[in-house]
Amino acid sequence: QVQLQESGPRLVKTSETLSLTCAVSGDSAGGNYFWSWIRQPPGKGLEWIGYVSNGGSTNYNPSLKSRATVSVDTSTRQVSLILRSVTPTDTAVYFCARDAGRDFFDYWGQGTLVTVSS
Amino acid sequence: SYVLTQPPSVSVAPGETARITCGGNNIGSFGVQWYQQKPGRAPTLVIYYDNDRPSGIPERFSGSNSGNTATLTISRVEAGDEANYFCQLWDTSSGQFYVFGTGTEVTVL
Repeated sequence: QVQLQESGPRLVKTSETLSLTCAVSGDSAGGNYFWSWIRQPPGKGLEWIGYVSNGGSTNYNPSLKSRATVSVDTSTRQVSLILRSVTPTDTAVYFCARDAGRDFFDYWGQGTLVTVSS
Repeated sequence: SYVLTQPPSVSVAPGETARITCGGNNIGSFGVQWYQQKPGRAPTLVIYYDNDRPSGIPERFSGSNSGNTATLTISRVEAGDEANYFCQLWDTSSGQFYVFGTGTEVTVL
């Protein structure tokens, strides 16, 4: 059973950098997978942030491209998100999710709430 | 950017049929997915490629997609179907790649 587990600080100060990690287990390490970060502000909808493939290629939502970096370490099976210069509008539940090359997400992490405050 | 519009809420009595729409420009030319999200939980895929169901999803869930509207249909609604539902498609032309709808809260009366 594929499992994804997000971790990282729950509180980040305004203008600082948000850093999260997603630990992956239970799937084939060499698969054609694309790992995304998706966020959901409290009471609102879902926003895709960006993805990284197992081969290291990346793409980002144009609205966040200048501040976000997504990376993967296939040896440790971890996917990372860095979001720079955060503001309170970046407060959200952050999910990691897997796309097996089929243009949709078949597995999601449970999500982690990150609050940005001064 | 590509926008997917859903009604904010749908109410349905147990045993009846719920229909949730997802509107977008020529959405019929895309493959559309639907996710169910219960409070405090991650989304779960219930329909992919317009009308395919992942294993474990009841046949009561079905989808259609044509023109400018995709629809998720839940037949014989049960109390456990109460959740938020989001549509999603893959669009590289807009640069957004994964586009989500605004979400619909389904209430079982």
